[in-house]
Parts: sequence; C-alpha cells; structure tokens
Amino acid sequence: QVQLVESGGGVVQPGRSLRLSCAASGFTFSSYVLHWVRQAPGKGLEWVAIIWYDGSNEYYGDSVKGRFTISRDNSKDTLYLQMNSLRAEDTAVYFCARAGTRSAPLHGMDVWGQGTTVSVSS
Amino acid sequence: DIQMTQSPSSLSASVGDRVTITCQASHDIGYYLNWFQQKPGKAPKRLIYGASNLETGVPSRFSGSVSGTHFTFTISSLQPEDIATYYCQHYDSLPITFGQGTRLEIK
Repeated sequence: QVQLVESGGGVVQPGRSLRLSCAASGFTFSSYVLHWVRQAPGKGLEWVAIIWYDGSNEYYGDSVKGRFTISRDNSKDTLYLQMNSLRAEDTAVYFCARAGTRSAPLHGMDVWGQGTTVSVSS
Repeated sequence: DIQMTQSPSSLSASVGDRVTITCQASHDIGYYLNWFQQKPGKAPKRLIYGASNLETGVPSRFSGSVSGTHFTFTISSLQPEDIATYYCQHYDSLPITFGQGTRLEIK
C-alpha cells in the first residue's frame, strides 16, 4: 500500500544538526512533489519545506530558511531533511507528506507519514 | 503570504448535532483548499480536497463548500469518532499555510 515512514528523530542540543529520512513505498516516488510539515507540542501544523519531483526546485518556510535543507534520492525512494543550527523552537513532530505531480505540484497532501519527534534541548 | 483564519478555535457539540467550521482566506485561492482531521498522536488525514471534494472512503456526513474566499466545513450529524482537531490548508501558492485548527469535543 502507499506508505511514508519517517525516521531519524531524537534529542539534540541547541546548535547541533540532525537528518531526518522519509522512506516511500507503494507509489512512483519520482513522480511526486514532497513536503515536510511539523507540529510543535500542543500546537498547530506548520509547513516546513517542499521539493519538486525531480529535485529541481525547493522552497522553505521563513522559520527554517538558511538552516534546513530538503533533498531526495529517487533511486532510493527516500526524502531527507537536513536540519542545522537547531533551536529549541524547532522541537516538534516532523511529518513528510506527498504532494502533487508535475502538472499540479502543490496539490495533494493526501498521504502522510506517522511522524518522527525532534527535541532540541540542552 | 496567504493567511487562513479559521474559527472557532474550539467547539463543543452533542452527538447528532450539525457542526460547522469556517476558514477565511486573505486572498483569492479559488478552490485550492484541503480540510484535515487529526486525532491525538496521529498524522493528519485529508477529508476534503478542492474545497468540496470528499476523499474516497470518508463518510458522507462530512462536506465542504466555498463562497468567494470563505470556506466552510460541515459535519451533518456528529458522531463520537469525529472527536479530533480539524485544519484547513490552502495550496494556491507557496508558502502553503494552515488554519489555526478547531478542537472539536463532545458535549
């Protein structure tokens, strides 16, 4: 079945780095645009980043721009989020979500992973 | 950036009640709006896309509509399993933004 599975979360000190992964299965990974979305404890959903199906374009939310990098390996059906210079306010559950295809890249968010928890604390 | 103003932030209703949640977009987004349901400890689940299209397998008591930049999500007859937080989300342009969420409780 169509599935996204995140991994790589954990506890990290402020200023350090962490890389999240999102493994896809059950669909043609290389055809889809993908998002990262996060949710701080007790808070709402915040869009983090998006990457085009072929990796040709990537965009970021203002709160992570310059610190986080989204990437993908279509040969491994895997999405990544490299998080550098982490701050306490980056503490959240991070979800990957499937967006649209080439013809409608921003559509979708129809498939989500279960989330991986990142805690930034000294 | 397009802002999505969702209301109410919380809502208490009885089983069988009709429940309505609204989202107001700060700019014209056409029909580019999703509605999600999120239960505690779970990922969001898309219920409605394109403002009014019901996701496959979602009960027909859920519906969405739009009038200009004003979007409405309705549960026609509230069921105990509908207890969750609901979010709207536009996908007209980047950055994508979500509404603040509506926490739905049983009275």
